[in-house]
Amino acid sequence: GPKVLQIPSHQIIDMGQMVTLNCDPVSNHLYFYWYKQILGQQMEFLVNFYNGKVMEKSKLFKDQFSVERPDGSYFTLKIQPTALEDSAVYFCASSLEGVDTQYFGPGTRLLVL
Amino acid sequence: GQQVQQSPASLVLQEGENAELQCNFSTSLNSMQWFYQRPGGSLVSLFYNPSGTKQSGRLTSTTVIKERRSSLHISSSQTTDSGTYLCAMENSGGSNAKLTFGKGTKLSVKS
Repeated sequence: GPKVLQIPSHQIIDMGQMVTLNCDPVSNHLYFYWYKQILGQQMEFLVNFYNGKVMEKSKLFKDQFSVERPDGSYFTLKIQPTALEDSAVYFCASSLEGVDTQYFGPGTRLLVL
Repeated sequence: GQQVQQSPASLVLQEGENAELQCNFSTSLNSMQWFYQRPGGSLVSLFYNPSGTKQSGRLTSTTVIKERRSSLHISSSQTTDSGTYLCAMENSGGSNAKLTFGKGTKLSVKS
């Protein structure tokens, strides 16, 4: 099926540093998402993004988080500064339409020390 | 409370047995999706199934929107089916989807 890529697969950083997670969505998709999964817990929605704008974000999407997709390149999630509780696997997803099949990337495992 | 309830939480099968996984939703929904999460963590979309029955190989998904439930049937299970099965619903009411996930059913198939 359609592939979503995520870079890096793993990232270890010190608390307070900035981190950028990169997502390469399915090429013709228009809607982009980030989800967060803490080890052993439920997958949770963070934010969706369409036409250059955040459409909806959850309460997990703190002020330290931001997303963008400059010039159709990677869809990125930036956390600045990071906190210990940001340690999780972050999954990117994309879909062609708003209410449609979402395809997920393999995740970026973030560990904040 | 939990908007998406999955059952059972875990299931152990002998290879060749069938499995029925359930997903119940506490609110009305626009659509739902079934995923397989590999032991390494990556997600594979199995079905996008807003209503009715869909089949793919040994997998069958049935969603009954009015009753707010969906099921995933796995026939003739294989050891490679082991992993976690997640269901997720979309009910934002708008054109911008966000998925709400259940906690998953952890399936273990023994040879």
